[in-house]
Amino acid sequence: QVQLVQSGSELKKPGASVKVSCKASGYTFTHHALSWVRQAPGQGLEWMGWINTDTANPAYAQGFTGRFVFSLDTSVSTAYLQISSLKSEDTAVYYCARDTTPYGPLHYWGQGTLVTVSS
Amino acid sequence: SYVLSQPPSVSVAPGKTARITCEGNNIGSKGVHWYQQKPGQAPVVVIYYDSDRPSGIPERFSGSNSGNTATLTISRVEAGDEADYYCQVWDSSSAHYVFGPGTKVPVL
Repeated sequence: QVQLVQSGSELKKPGASVKVSCKASGYTFTHHALSWVRQAPGQGLEWMGWINTDTANPAYAQGFTGRFVFSLDTSVSTAYLQISSLKSEDTAVYYCARDTTPYGPLHYWGQGTLVTVSS
Repeated sequence: SYVLSQPPSVSVAPGKTARITCEGNNIGSKGVHWYQQKPGQAPVVVIYYDSDRPSGIPERFSGSNSGNTATLTISRVEAGDEADYYCQVWDSSSAHYVFGPGTKVPVL
């Protein structure tokens, strides 16, 4: 069965960087793009963008350019989200998610990774 | 960019029907997906492509989409349906997914 397993919670200081991982299993990794979704405390879901797991080409939503980088290690079926120059407003749960058809619903989700930015 | 709007909250009593709307310009021309999210959990698809229901989702969940409004209907509401519900579309003009702001459904 399809599984997306994310790395554990992180506590970082402002200005630091963080790298969140999302390990996929149960399907051919390069057959489906992976999206990243942010959820700030008490807030809604924000689509951050996605990465084409076949070409490694990322696409970033408005508001998620510059400090946010999506990457892959296809040898271990893992996608990464790196955030640099962390700010307190980056405190959120970050999810990876996968569709079943291109541009379709995100049927599969990781369990989420809480990133807390605090001095 | 494409914008979706949802009511912040829709209250419902057990056994009654909850209707959650998602408004967007000509949303009827897009496929709308609905997610249920309970506290501390990842979202789960309850309706996709306007009215399809994934396996394991009760028939009490249904959807429709026309004009500028998509609707998620939960019939015979149960306490376990208490959650936040988000609509989502693929906006081809921006090549982005767009989520609605979410609707909290407290079961009274």
